[in-house]
Amino acid sequence: EVELVESGGGIFQPGGSLRLSCAASGFASGDFSTHWVRQAPGQGLEWVSLITGDGIYTFYADSVKGRFTTIRDSANSVHLYMNSLRTEDSGLYFCAKDRTRYGTGSSADFWGRGTLVTVSS
Amino acid sequence: IVLTQSPATLSLSPGERGTLSCRASQSVGSHLAWYQQKPGQAPRLLIYETSTRASGVPVRFSGSGSGTDFTLTISSLQPEDVATYYCLQYYNFPYTFGQGTNLEIK
Repeated sequence: EVELVESGGGIFQPGGSLRLSCAASGFASGDFSTHWVRQAPGQGLEWVSLITGDGIYTFYADSVKGRFTTIRDSANSVHLYMNSLRTEDSGLYFCAKDRTRYGTGSSADFWGRGTLVTVSS
Repeated sequence: IVLTQSPATLSLSPGERGTLSCRASQSVGSHLAWYQQKPGQAPRLLIYETSTRASGVPVRFSGSGSGTDFTLTISSLQPEDVATYYCLQYYNFPYTFGQGTNLEIK
């Protein structure tokens, strides 16, 4: 069974840093890209980042480019490093498996339950 | 690429047909997906590549369109379809979501 579990959320100060993690199981995660998507409280979905299955290519939303970095440190773990935090970075962060094997990116088909990040002084 | 969904809220009676729209600021070819999100849950993929139903999605959900104009149709609304629906373009990075359509039952 495909499963993705996010961790690392909590309460953080503006200007601070944190690392979110996404642990995948039930599929060959190194064959698929991984998305990060966030959702501010009561708001819509915002696509944040994608890393390819081989960990070589990464892509970011304009709102986080230069502040967030995603890496793959093994076939089953992806991390989102978030620096220079802003209050508008608060929200529920989901990681999700891309639908296409060996592709760069397409739609996300399996999602985790999310981890909540609150940026507040 | 900006995706604009309409209407913001759609209120229908059970059994009615629902039509949700997603318009892109430039062509996305056929690289458009639809998601359903219920309160407190992660999004669920319904449709990808404009019109292909994801595994396990009921046949009452269908997608159509191309280029800049796309539609998600629910042929006969069921109570369990109450949710927010989002479109996603994956034609160009950065990928983008529409702002969502809230589907309510009358």
